[in-house]
Amino acid sequence: EAQVTQNPRYLITVTGKKLTVTCSQNMNHEYMSWYRQDPGLGLRQIYYSMNVEVTDKGDVPEGYKVSRKEKRNFPLILESPSPNQTSLYFCASSFFSGTSAYEQYFGPGTRLTVT
Amino acid sequence: KQEVTQIPAALSVPEGENLVLNCSFTDSAIYNLQWFRQDPGKGLTSLLLIQSSQREQTSGRLNASLDKSSGRSTLYIAASQPGDSATYLCAVTPPPWEGNNRLAFGKGNQVVVIP
Repeated sequence: EAQVTQNPRYLITVTGKKLTVTCSQNMNHEYMSWYRQDPGLGLRQIYYSMNVEVTDKGDVPEGYKVSRKEKRNFPLILESPSPNQTSLYFCASSFFSGTSAYEQYFGPGTRLTVT
Repeated sequence: KQEVTQIPAALSVPEGENLVLNCSFTDSAIYNLQWFRQDPGKGLTSLLLIQSSQREQTSGRLNASLDKSSGRSTLYIAASQPGDSATYLCAVTPPPWEGNNRLAFGKGNQVVVIP
């Protein structure tokens, strides 16, 4: 089954404790992206990756890191989480080239609470 | 910067009525438009994708139209059911040659279908 998976689905942590949220897709998609969703602000892109070893900042990258060492995986790293990073996080993937963009598939979401 | 607006933000309809959800976007240079469904606290499920060259797309009781030049899309849900209660999100994709497949999201239409 074609899918995007994220782990963990729920996480409560404390300020400053490094954490990683994993994202994996089984569709051989080139493009992967992270979004956060906050009430009243909607979904905003954090980082994206066009392919292995190619990543770039989205709209709200501060406080986050990513890596793309394998095509299927795109982990989101919070080196020193703060309460303002409490949010619902989504990973997304799609086929993508310089001339064509395709339907995006989303993971189930990770609800993160930082106290 | 692309701005996506969805009106109304919330609506309630009696079961059996047709639903009409509106989405507008400020920059008509889009590659495609996707409609998503989101249940409370859950992930995003893609409903329909319309390419910029298309005028409409249909899937079952769902029909989405696109008027790219005027920056508008409408999602019609025929004969609404209580199971259609959810938030519906509209998102547009920029041309791929801009180098990022980032979706610009509206804030959603929150729908309640009353039995």
